[in-house]
Amino acid sequence: GAVVSQHPSWVICKSGTSVKIECRSLDFQATTMFWYRQFPKQSLMLMATSNEGSKATYEQGVEKDKFLINHASLTLSTLTVTSAHPEDSSFYICSARDRGATYEQYFGPGTRLTVT
Amino acid sequence: GENVEQHPSTLSVQEGDSAVIKCTYSDSASNYFPWYKQELGKRPQLIIDIRSNVGEKKDQRIAVTLNKTAKHFSLHITETQPEDSAVYFCAARFARVTGGGNKLTFGTGTQLKVEL
Repeated sequence: GAVVSQHPSWVICKSGTSVKIECRSLDFQATTMFWYRQFPKQSLMLMATSNEGSKATYEQGVEKDKFLINHASLTLSTLTVTSAHPEDSSFYICSARDRGATYEQYFGPGTRLTVT
Repeated sequence: GENVEQHPSTLSVQEGDSAVIKCTYSDSASNYFPWYKQELGKRPQLIIDIRSNVGEKKDQRIAVTLNKTAKHFSLHITETQPEDSAVYFCAARFARVTGGGNKLTFGTGTQLKVEL
């Protein structure tokens, strides 16, 4: 089946620093990747949708200058949390849709970010 | 945009009993309805999905029903086991046959606990 990986699986950083999270589709080409944020005991909230080679589309209320998304290839998307603050601490999950898929999308294992 | 409501937020059942989780959606154009199981700290895992041209789908102990007129769909788990304990999310999306389609909108989640 389709496999999506994320790196790192967890990261602790100091307030004011930046953190980059990578999302890779290992055995398929992902024309579209999605980035979600999940706070404890809450649902997945879509942050942005990225299409390979084009700018990401951000959801309302998500600061595009703070959460930088790059989707430079069909197998890699990155999310950079810039000037992180404790309130950015969350579980970040990416998801990818196969180039030829109409319905299914596959989730990465998530990255636990803790900002101290 | 799409809005998905999910009930109940928590559900406790005895081992062997059935569990039912219900969702309603707002966008009548939605045509793809997946259900995900998420264990603590893990990625959401697709357990079953249904498309709008089908009213019911079953996979062993898991079934999903869809009522397009009423815009609601339900997850049914029979003969529950302790390992079924997790958070379950419903979701809805309008999927185009060509092209990427729209984003998934998630329900708020149901914490299922199967007690011995």
